[in-house]
Amino acid sequence: RKEVEQDPGPFNVPEGATVAFNCTYSNSASQSFFWYRQDCRKEPKLLMSVYSSGNEDGRFTAQLNRASQYISLLIRDSKLSDSATYLCVVSFHTGGFKTIFGAGTRLFVKA
Amino acid sequence: GAVVSQHPSWVICKSGTSVKIECRSLDFQATTMFWYRQFPKQSLMLMATSNEGSKATYEQGVEKDKFLINHASLTLSTLTVTSAHPEDSSFYICSPQGAEFNEKLFFGSGTQLSVL
Repeated sequence: RKEVEQDPGPFNVPEGATVAFNCTYSNSASQSFFWYRQDCRKEPKLLMSVYSSGNEDGRFTAQLNRASQYISLLIRDSKLSDSATYLCVVSFHTGGFKTIFGAGTRLFVKA
Repeated sequence: GAVVSQHPSWVICKSGTSVKIECRSLDFQATTMFWYRQFPKQSLMLMATSNEGSKATYEQGVEKDKFLINHASLTLSTLTVTSAHPEDSSFYICSPQGAEFNEKLFFGSGTQLSVL
């Protein structure tokens, strides 16, 4: 079983749609959770951190369920510019920080 | 945020040649450097971790004699792919970490290596 699992997609949605991505992680000792966005052959860029209380940043909402070891990302009112791969990222302490990346979920937003 | 410079962005080389990739932290001191590799449609995989002035720690399955990492200063680390072969073709990304950033990650812009 992969340490961080995501549905690879692709998700093809029209502009204005709401789309949700899910992610599960296997290490119950995981401490920090993030969503990163990665464009083709570019470096990942931090989209948002994820907390148990949930957090929202404009059209993006992230949720963490520690009991189920499950993370979600909701994108409302999709824009063409949201087309990218979304990486679920989990970190935990093991001496220093160890970071595990999911393989990503591809999103295509069409006009 | 932190400014990271990685180059070259693209490398095309013949099989058997060596390729050096540089990663610089421009406005902070990188006490730790992570080097990742990403194959198409796959996740970033950590290759090695290096601390300034120390030998790198390689992940299982990564050949230390093939992927030479030098982290001689707090602002510069290099990854040299020695005797590159087509199976080494991949996207290589550095991620320098400063003590002040905790688990927050910053990345270089990546190097796409294509070995013919």
